[in-house]
Amino acid sequence: EIQLVESGGGLVQPGRSLKLSCAASGFTFSNYYMAWVRQAPKKGLEWVATISSSDNRTYYPDSVKGRFTISRDNAKGSLYLQMNSLKPEDTATYYCARHEPLTGLDYWGQGVMVTVSS
Amino acid sequence: DIQMTQSPASLSASLEEIVTITCQASQDIGNYLSWYQQKPGKSPQVLIHSAVSLADGVPSRFSGSGSGTQYSLKINRLQVEDTGIYYCLQYYSAPWTFGGGTKLELK
Repeated sequence: EIQLVESGGGLVQPGRSLKLSCAASGFTFSNYYMAWVRQAPKKGLEWVATISSSDNRTYYPDSVKGRFTISRDNAKGSLYLQMNSLKPEDTATYYCARHEPLTGLDYWGQGVMVTVSS
Repeated sequence: DIQMTQSPASLSASLEEIVTITCQASQDIGNYLSWYQQKPGKSPQVLIHSAVSLADGVPSRFSGSGSGTQYSLKINRLQVEDTGIYYCLQYYSAPWTFGGGTKLELK
């Protein structure tokens, strides 16, 4: 069974940093692109970052470029999202997802909440 | 960036009714489109990928169609468990973008 389990969320002050983790199991992690998607309270979905499977190419929307960094450890089956210079508008549930270039985001974690507030 | 315009924003339908949700892309996305269902407090679940392919385990009453810039999700014979919010996603090119969502309720 494929499982994606996020951790590391919480309450953080504006301007501070936070690092999210996602533990993957049930598939060969190193073979797949991975992504982070977020959802602000009562709002829609927003893609946040993607990393390729083996050569660590990364992709970001303008809203987080320069502040967020996606990374992975294939040996551990883990995905990360380092979030710096956090803003109140980064408050959201963050989902880890498997990103298949041909079929989209096919498996999602349960999500982890990040609240940016003073 | 490719914009995804999803409609309607909300929809109320009766049991057994046929429901259609559409997404229009701001440019040709070559069938690189997927549909997701999200229940309250849960993560999104994929229904359709590649515009027309049913994801594993998804009931056959769900179907996808379209090409170019116009795509649709159809639910035949609406069931109670089909309520929720539906999103389309274009994964043709970065930044990958979602539609605004359609909230589906039972009448």
